[in-house]
Formats: sequence, structure tokens, C-alpha cells
Amino acid sequence: GAVVSQHPSRVICKSGTSVKIECRSLDFQATTMFWYRQFPKQSLMLMATSNEGSKATYEQGVEKDKFLINHASLTLSTLTVTSAHPEDSSFYICSAYSGASYEQYFGPGTRLTVT
Amino acid sequence: AQTVTQSQPEMSVQEAETVTLSCTYDTSESDYYLFWYKQPPSRQMILVIRQEAYKQQNATENRFSVNFQKAAKSFSLKISDSQLGDAAMYFCAYRSAYGGSQGNLIFGKGTKLSVKP
Repeated sequence: GAVVSQHPSRVICKSGTSVKIECRSLDFQATTMFWYRQFPKQSLMLMATSNEGSKATYEQGVEKDKFLINHASLTLSTLTVTSAHPEDSSFYICSAYSGASYEQYFGPGTRLTVT
Repeated sequence: AQTVTQSQPEMSVQEAETVTLSCTYDTSESDYYLFWYKQPPSRQMILVIRQEAYKQQNATENRFSVNFQKAAKSFSLKISDSQLGDAAMYFCAYRSAYGGSQGNLIFGKGTKLSVKP
């Protein structure tokens, strides 16, 4: 089956620093990738939709200058949290769309803690 | 805008018994997809079952089946012969069929399922 990886799985950073999260589709090409944020005991909230080679589309209320998304290839999208603050601490999940199966496949998530 | 509602924050079932999780949605579209995802403690999202709105037949996957009522905009998940490994958060999700199949998923708030041995 289609596999999506995320790296790192856990990261702790200091307030004011930036952190990059990678999302890779390992065995398929993904023209579209999605980034979600999940608070404890809550549902997934879509942050942005990323299309290969073009600018990401952000959901209302998501700061695009704070959450930088790059989708430079058909197998890699990155989310960079710039000038992180404790309120950015959360679980970030990516998913990748497979044109072969018409399905989205989810990565295992990244736990970000900002101290 | 489409919405997905899961009215049961928590459910409990005895091992080997059957449980039904509820989901309703609101949309003005006629063609769409509905999903149930499982999120165990590892937090990896796992697709449980998928239903195309144009199909009248309810989807089934082994012990998992759905009751899709398009007119009522209802999409419940039935888990038969519940197992301890079924304990997880279950999310109902909607995806529009318009604008290409690459549309984003809209999730409900989830139902936490506990399985008692």
C-alpha cells in the first residue's frame, strides 16, 4: 500500500526558532499534499493544501507567513513553522493524494513542542 | 459549506459485541465521498471504509460496514465482533467529488471507542 512518512516524529524547539517538518510519499507521486493540525482530543483541522510546483492554499485563519509550505517535488512537501511560540505546540499531520487510487494517505504525524 | 457531525463523543462496547457509531453531514452537493478513519493511540490515521455517494449499496470491509442513508444525510459505521484492537478514535469524513478528486477531507469531531474485555 501507499506509504507516507514524516520527519521528525517528535521535535522540541525553543521559542523564537524555526522548525521544518518533512512529508514524503515513499512509493507514489503526490501532486497534492495536505497539512493538518490536531490539538489533544480534537479533530484534524486543515491548515493548507499544497500542490506541486505552485503556492499553497491556506485555510482561513492560518498565517501563511508563519507556516511556510513548500511542495518542490512530487514526493516531498515541507512545513516550516517560523518564529515558533508555545501556542504552536501541537500534532501536525500531512497527507498525500494518490492519483492512482484516488485516495489520501496519511503520515504518522509530528509532535511539536515549543518551550 | 459542508459540515460533518458526530454526536457521540464516547462509546463503549463489550468485546465480541456489535457497536454502531453515528455520523450525519450537511451538503448541497449530489456527488461526494464519505469515509471512516480510525486513529489509534499511535495517532496514525487509518482508512477503515469508504462510500461513494452515487452507490446505493452500503460498503463493507470485513467486520466493518456502513449504513448510508443519502436522503437523511446519515452515514453510520457498524463494527461487528468487536476486538480490543478496535479501541481508537473514529472520525467520519466528507470529501467533495467536484473540483477533482483531490479535494480535502472535512472531518467530524470524532468518537472515542472503548472495548471492554
